Amino acid sequence: AQSVTQPDIHITVSEGASLELRCNYSYGATPYLFWYVQSPGQGLQLLLKYFSGDTLVQGIKGFEAEFKRSQSSFNLRKPSVHWSDAAEYFCAVGKYMEYGNKLVFGAGTILRVKS
Amino acid sequence: DAGVTQSPTHLIKTRGQQVTLRCSPKSGHDTVSWYQQALGQGPQFIFQYYEEEERQRGNFPDRFSGHQFPNYSSELNVNALLLGDSALYLCASSSFPKETQYFGPGTRLLVL
Repeated sequence: AQSVTQPDIHITVSEGASLELRCNYSYGATPYLFWYVQSPGQGLQLLLKYFSGDTLVQGIKGFEAEFKRSQSSFNLRKPSVHWSDAAEYFCAVGKYMEYGNKLVFGAGTILRVKS
Repeated sequence: DAGVTQSPTHLIKTRGQQVTLRCSPKSGHDTVSWYQQALGQGPQFIFQYYEEEERQRGNFPDRFSGHQFPNYSSELNVNALLLGDSALYLCASSSFPKETQYFGPGTRLLVL
């Protein structure tokens, strides 16, 4: 069965510092991978996605993620964090089947940004 | 171009009642998926609708049912509400079969 692990429940970084959020997945086939961000009380906003091709994926708001098949990882990075990046981040793997598809999410990582 | 919309934004019900949540997909999308997000957890897949049929279902009891209309909008119905049904219910739309899912703002349901 598919699963996604986000090992860090909370991460605190200083504004302007670099950020890496970890994501490990378990999936038998080639994965479709996503990062979403959720501000308090809000829905999920897509940051970036990986379907195939270049393993380094660029997203919105200056985020990027790297797919490493050998490590079953899809870590999210940002070179310089802004206070507005404080939110909860979810990694997800997409299970695509003939008659439909679904996303399997990790438990999320809460990012706090200190000034 | 309107994104995914959901109504209502908040809802309070008592145990045993029934509730209906609504979702309108993003323009150009024909598939609607529903997720339940309990407090402090990641979203859990409930089911997906395409061509007015349930295509995939997650591990949720039959108390959770849905419907998709010809205009692609969708409803999620939950019968015999339990306290544990309190959660944020998220709707996501996409284009069948492989497009990215885009989420609405959610409906927060509180069961007392």
